Amino acid sequence: QSVLTQPPSVSAAPGQKVTISCSGSSSNIGNNYVSWYQQLPGTAPKLLIYENNKRPSGIPDRFSGSKSGTSATLGITGLQTGDEADYYCGTWDSSLSGGVFGGGTKLTVL
Amino acid sequence: QVQLVQSGAEVKKPGASVKVSCKASGSTFTNYGFTWVRQAPGQGLEWMGWISAYNGNTNYAQQLQGRVTMTTDTSTATVYMELRSLRSDDTAVYYCARGGLTMAGFDYWGQGTLVTVSS
Repeated sequence: QSVLTQPPSVSAAPGQKVTISCSGSSSNIGNNYVSWYQQLPGTAPKLLIYENNKRPSGIPDRFSGSKSGTSATLGITGLQTGDEADYYCGTWDSSLSGGVFGGGTKLTVL
Repeated sequence: QVQLVQSGAEVKKPGASVKVSCKASGSTFTNYGFTWVRQAPGQGLEWMGWISAYNGNTNYAQQLQGRVTMTTDTSTATVYMELRSLRSDDTAVYYCARGGLTMAGFDYWGQGTLVTVSS
């Protein structure tokens, strides 16, 4: 059971938009930065969003992040088949004094 | 360019220890911290702990306290993760990644090291 809650799966058609939610509490998302990672099959995770809503160099603006209260959201527009992957949110938990990840969301581009 | 290159796959018996290395290049090693994250087969990501390459300060996941030790060698820009008293549920791919303690974002990741614990 993960500290952060993500939907197990989401799906949408190519070209459409999808959002992935990450729900937590005041001890984690509510008072700490959130980051998002994309993991393609058989590869290491890749940073998509850091400090809630910032994109690293090289990440297209189709990917966006937001945070409100104790929840965060990853948005992906203009879906491509290459976006099929597992997506994870992560943050610090002040009560645990440790890092935590969501359980992951599998994105299917139909 | 920044690279994190990890050591190769390991097979260990229950009760043994494993030490995985992560060699960094392309940036000033002591300016950063490094985390270890593991992923059991078919499962999600699990944060294991963090170490500062500047001063060696560490922070470990509560569930691994007493079994895990993270160290650095600044002369070779290498981070190490040792896990002791291995159990079958420690079987996982272990990743190192560069970033701060509070998980604002880990920007570079190693390729992963598969550790298999089996009798």
